[in-house]
Formats: sequence, structure tokens, C-alpha cells
Amino acid sequence: NAGVTQTPKFRVLKTGQSMTLLCAQDMNHEYMYWYRQDPGMGLRLIHYSVGEGTTAKGEVPDGYNVSRLKKQNFLLGLESAAPSQTSVYFCASSPRSSEQYFGPGTRLTVT
Amino acid sequence: AQSVAQPEDQVNVAEGNPLTVKCTYSVSGNPYLFWYVQYPNRGLQFLLKYITGDNLVKGSYGFEAEFNKSQTSFHLKKPSALVSDSALYFCAVLILTGGGNKLTFGTGTQLKVEL
Repeated sequence: NAGVTQTPKFRVLKTGQSMTLLCAQDMNHEYMYWYRQDPGMGLRLIHYSVGEGTTAKGEVPDGYNVSRLKKQNFLLGLESAAPSQTSVYFCASSPRSSEQYFGPGTRLTVT
Repeated sequence: AQSVAQPEDQVNVAEGNPLTVKCTYSVSGNPYLFWYVQYPNRGLQFLLKYITGDNLVKGSYGFEAEFNKSQTSFHLKKPSALVSDSALYFCAVLILTGGGNKLTFGTGTQLKVEL
């Protein structure tokens, strides 16, 4: 099992550009999550999904959109990137009431 | 609102000595508590969890954590630290809701184990 994978690993965007981060899991987990990690702030939840076709806002959803068209995939979109979105993005998945399993992260820089 | 606090930004320990990384929580109801470790340029790895039962929970790589309800704490411990334990450690509390399970993380504690 690959677990949770994220694509791409690194990306540099100019302000105003758009991009999509892909998360895939092969553990048949119901729940999936997107977090951002910034120095001194821990991880903050952006959006999450409790099943195929469903999404919900987390703690810091502004500027991001998500979609979960297939159970194994969870996409995070930035429609118009801003320097404040420079961060490391982590995807995670979990069974319904258990620990979350994290991907390796995507390092995004917006200039 | 649920929250987790890690009062120390960094903990320095000599190899072979015991280590403790502190965590306190604030939740309504029974807490589900977790510890994760993050090595440089890597994702978070699950170490251990407390749901119910024994207050002393054993996890991966020789780590354990003690749940103390009266002090609302869940400190991470290891009897003998290794240099390879140097990493960033996160405490988290799980919030069960009808719409999903949300982990709230502390800000992390950098553990440095020196020879």
C-alpha cells in the first residue's frame, strides 16, 4: 500500500495563478482532510470530506476550494494564489473514528 | 471550544536520559488524544493515542504517554532518549462531530537529543 500520496511535492506560483493539489489514498478511508502548516502555528484544517461527493469547511477555508469526486481522491484548488498561501500543505485520511494518516506534503511558494 | 497547548517550543535532552514533552488539553466531554511526530521534510506519523482505558498508553518507537484527567494533561515520555528521536512532536485532540472527525493540533515541540 502506498498510503497517502500527494502531487506535486513542490510548486512555485506567481500571485494570481491557479493550481490544484492532488491527494490520493489507497486505504479505503471514508474521511479525508487538507491542512496547512506554518511555522509556530501547528497544522490548521482547511477543508475536509466525510465521503465521496461531500466537503466541508475547516478552520481556514478562505481562498481554497475542494472536491471529492472519487472516494480515494481529494483535490485542493487555489483559484488565485496569494503570498499568504505560501505554506506546506498536508493531506490526511482516516477511518471514521480513528487516527489520521498523513501524506508527505506539498511545499508551495507564492511570489 | 476544544484546544491543545504545548507549553514548550523546544526540549533539549541528553541521549540516554528520560524525556518528557508536555501537552495539556481543554475539551468538553471525553477527550480522544493523539501524539504525532514529524521528521524534517516529512509528513506527520502517528505515535500513539488515548481513547479510554489505562491512563498509560504505549506507542511506537518506545514512546508512551500518560493521560491525567485531573490535570487535563497528556504528556509524552520515553525512558531513554536517542539522537534519532530528534524531531517535531505534535499533540492533538480529536473532536467527534456528526459531520466528521476534526483534529485540533498544538503548535508543536521541537525535541533535540544530543550526545
